Formats: sequence, structure tokens, C-alpha cells
Amino acid sequence: EDKVVQSPLSLVVHEGDTVTLNCSYEVTNFRSLLWYKQEKKAPTFLFMLTSSGIEKKSGRLSSILDKKELFSILNITATQTGDSAIYLCAVYNNAGNMLTFGGGTRLMVKP
Amino acid sequence: DTGVSQNPRHKITKRGQNVTFRCDPISEHNRLYWYRQTLGQGPEFLTYFQNEAQLEKSRLLSDRFSAERPKGSFSTLEIQRTEQGDSAMYLCASSTDRLINSPLHFGNGTRLTVT
Repeated sequence: EDKVVQSPLSLVVHEGDTVTLNCSYEVTNFRSLLWYKQEKKAPTFLFMLTSSGIEKKSGRLSSILDKKELFSILNITATQTGDSAIYLCAVYNNAGNMLTFGGGTRLMVKP
Repeated sequence: DTGVSQNPRHKITKRGQNVTFRCDPISEHNRLYWYRQTLGQGPEFLTYFQNEAQLEKSRLLSDRFSAERPKGSFSTLEIQRTEQGDSAMYLCASSTDRLINSPLHFGNGTRLTVT
């Protein structure tokens, strides 16, 4: 059974800090890893990673995948209060078409 | 609004009652998913449709849960004889099979409270 573990469970930082969120996975026939941001309701898509070592970047957010060590990190630089959310990591395997999610990291950014 | 739409937004019901939720996916998406999320947890897969065919169902899905997508467009999720443990956010998502790794696009969910 596919497994995704995220750490830390929660994090409190101040505006301007840089944070790193971790995601490790055990997947049969890994296909891709996705990051989502969930504020109050719907998770919204951030990044999809399929290849090791290639950084995906969007503004202050960036992410990278290590397929050898089976993990990904999501970095947020110069955090803002609007970054406060739950960040979810999920994986696709080749066997099916459904995403398996981790438990999420709850980030709170204080002014 | 062309995103995934779910109704109702909230549902409060008494234990033992049946409830039905509806999901309207993004119109050009042929894949539709139901997930359940409880407080402090990530979304947990329930079931998946490709067009009108239900292709996968979680082993965790009890026989009180049934989902349909009769015309390959909207979907309904019914829970019969609700229990307090069914209280959760029920999320619907859709995607397209035109991309191998198509991200799922989620609706805002239906929050179910069973009293």
C-alpha cells in the first residue's frame, strides 16, 4: 500500500522567515509527486514533480524531488501571513489513477 | 465559475438517516474522484470514475457508501444509515486523461456532521 508521510505536522513562523516542508513516500511504481495548498476549503494545486533534481519554482515557493531517497521538499522564502495553510503532498503510482495524500503540514505565519 | 462545484456546502443529519451529495466536475474532465477528509488528516481516497465507469473503490469504503456517475458528467455520493464516524469533509475532484499526470482539481467540499 502506498504511503506518504509529511513533516513537521505543524509549524509556526514569523513573516519573513524561510520554511522547508518535507514529504517522504513509499510507492510501488512511482509516477509523480504533487504539492497542494489548502486554506479553508479546496486544496489548490501548486507543483507536480516527476524527475529528480529539477527544481520547480513559482514566486517564493519552490520544490524539488529526490527519487533515490524517496522524498521531496517544499520551500517558502520570505513567508507572508497569506502563506498560512495546510500544505499537502500526494503521489501517483503507475498502477492506478488516484492520488495518495500525506497528512499535511499546518503552517502558521505570524505577523 | 468553471471549477468543480459541490452541493450542499454543509449537511447536518441525525444518525441513521441517509444523505446524498452532488458533484459537478470541470466540464471537459472525464475523471471524477471522491475523497474524505477529517480534521488534521490529508484527503483519503474513496472512489474514482472514468466517464460513467466506476474503476476503483477504496477497501475502506463500507457498503453503506455508494457513488454514481450515470451520464459521465455529475456524480452523487450517497451514505446510508449514517454514523457519527461519517462526520467529515467530502471532497470531489476531477481531472482529464489527456495528460499522464493530470493534477486533480478539487471542489470546496461538503461538510457532513452526524449528530
